[in-house]
Amino acid sequence: SQQGEEDPQALSIQEGENATMNCSYKTSINNLQWYRQNSGRGLVHLILIRSNEREKHSGRLRVTLDTSKKSSSLLITASRAADTASYFCEGIYGSRLTFGEGTQLTVNP
Amino acid sequence: DTEVTQTPKHLVMGMTNKKSLKCEQHMGHRAMYWYKQKAKKPPELMFVYSYEKLSINESVPSRFSPECPNSSLLNLHLHALQPEDSALYLCASSQPQVRIGPPYEQYFGPGTRLTVT
Repeated sequence: SQQGEEDPQALSIQEGENATMNCSYKTSINNLQWYRQNSGRGLVHLILIRSNEREKHSGRLRVTLDTSKKSSSLLITASRAADTASYFCEGIYGSRLTFGEGTQLTVNP
Repeated sequence: DTEVTQTPKHLVMGMTNKKSLKCEQHMGHRAMYWYKQKAKKPPELMFVYSYEKLSINESVPSRFSPECPNSSLLNLHLHALQPEDSALYLCASSQPQVRIGPPYEQYFGPGTRLTVT
């Protein structure tokens, strides 16, 4: 069963705008990862945030984690057409890993 | 080398066929994973191998049979599949995740697109 839920399910923005995607989870996690996936291809790891961290940055990416609300957000700043992809969060508890439903991001040039 | 390779890229098989999917990594990772992904859905964990031993089987039907012959290779043997088993099958590797310990990034292969006719 899926642990995480993501919203929005689909997001369409213009190039240069910021994109924010949210992920909520139901059970305890040790860590949470965000991935991107281009259509029908493998997943690319974007960023990992530990349960004792609140915020993490990597280039144009900013991830927050609120363990009290069991939620995380991924912000992509100054989006580009190449950012068009599906984005998934994955909760990690021990060796058990569960993906959220994902957000399909479309960045229009 | 941070690559996970999967073969074949595409596979079409009948319901009576026996086939195998292969996954290989040379990053020294001791955990390897099989995921199944249907269109427009997230990957679903099927199996986890840790130190070449099966540690998690997410109630996967026996027509899927995993095998980890060594620390670099992971196979998924397929037999008597159903059309609903058609999906993208993803392999991943990492250092073994433990509850108390550092997290490790997973590296995913490009997947095998399986069609069962």
